[in-house]
Amino acid sequence: DIQMTQSPSSLSASVGDRVTITCRASQSISSSLNWYQQKPGKAPKLLIYAASSLQSGVPSRFSGSGSGTDFTLTISSLQPEDFATYYCQQSYNTFGPGTKVDIK
Amino acid sequence: QVQLVQSGSELKKPGASVKVSCKASGYSFTSYGMNWVRQAPGQGLEWMGWINTNTGNPMYAQGFTGRFVFSLDTSVSTAYLQISSLKAEDTAVYYCARASSTGWYDYWGQGALVTVSS
Repeated sequence: DIQMTQSPSSLSASVGDRVTITCRASQSISSSLNWYQQKPGKAPKLLIYAASSLQSGVPSRFSGSGSGTDFTLTISSLQPEDFATYYCQQSYNTFGPGTKVDIK
Repeated sequence: QVQLVQSGSELKKPGASVKVSCKASGYSFTSYGMNWVRQAPGQGLEWMGWINTNTGNPMYAQGFTGRFVFSLDTSVSTAYLQISSLKAEDTAVYYCARASSTGWYDYWGQGALVTVSS
């Protein structure tokens, strides 16, 4: 089975900061990687699919990159509503353990 | 608009069974797979598997075989998750999520909390 890891597990940042979260697969998954945002008590929300495609309605400050085993989610300028937990996921399969982004 | 509406919270005793429903609307139900995701209190997301809404064929992730059953009633555009022989460690929020043909989940239900306690 393919394992997904994320780093860091948590981070503290300020509004306006550039934030980068990394996801690594234990073997190549091509571009079959998706990113979700989850706020407390809410269902996850799709942000990025197929590694780099922005889901409709998601602000352009979110971007994704990578292929094979290494992937990145970048928030170019962190906004107050972005404080949440972020998960990567191999399509039709395992989620990463999550990265919690909180306020510095 | 696309909506997935799940059944409400359940409180069950160990050893009992529970059936969670996920009613879809706003799209052709049999055109998208339905996935199930578990989230234990304070924990991350666990993919439980999915069911092909066209064929009814389920696929279970490792750790979710035996006591977990996915089913459908296409006449009412509803997917079901049944868990038998409930254990305390089954306490979690269970989400249904619509999957695109290439495996990302673009719509989610609101979640159904199942609490297992004596």
